Amino acid sequence: DIQMTQSPSSLAASVRDRVTITCRASQDIGNDLAWFQQKPGRAPKSLIYAASTLQSGVPPRFSGSGSGTEFTLTISSLQPEDSATYYCQQFNSYPYTFGQGTKLEI
Amino acid sequence: QVQLVQSGAEVKRPGASVKVSCKASGYIFTNYGIGWVRQAPGQGLEWMGWMGWMNGYDAYTNYAQKFQGRVTMTTDTSTSTAYMELRSLGSDDTAVYYCARGADSDPWGQGTLVTVSS
Repeated sequence: DIQMTQSPSSLAASVRDRVTITCRASQDIGNDLAWFQQKPGRAPKSLIYAASTLQSGVPPRFSGSGSGTEFTLTISSLQPEDSATYYCQQFNSYPYTFGQGTKLEI
Repeated sequence: QVQLVQSGAEVKRPGASVKVSCKASGYIFTNYGIGWVRQAPGQGLEWMGWMGWMNGYDAYTNYAQKFQGRVTMTTDTSTSTAYMELRSLGSDDTAVYYCARGADSDPWGQGTLVTVSS
């Protein structure tokens, strides 16, 4: 199975800060990576797919980059509503494993 | 709009089975596969399996090894509904179960809480 490792596990930041979350794959997954946001008691929401393509309706302050084994999710100017847990997931080969999550507090 | 609506919460005894439904609307059901993910209380997301389509009408599945032999994912194309059945439930199967559309998992269903307790 492909292991997905996110860092950091948690972070605290302030409104208007720029934050970056990293996701590393244990083997090359091309750009078969997605990012999700989950707020407490809610279903996850897709933010980015194919490593860097923003889902419709997602604010442009969110961006994704990377390929191969290293990927990043960047939030350029944090807003209070961005407080959530963020997960990466690889879609390159079964099982489609998730990272362990990054809890972002604002 | 594209929407996935899941069945309601369930309480099951250890050893029982549960079948969660996921009704799709707003798109052509056989154009997208459905993935199933679960989340135990206070834990992260765990991928359970995938049901996709070949040629637009032949369904195929792929299950996480952890659930092989205990899970079955099916669909009813007449009602655009996907199902996930998990058998031989144990207390560690207590979780919220989600369905999600397509390889990019968008959108997700609202989740179904399954509680396994004696």
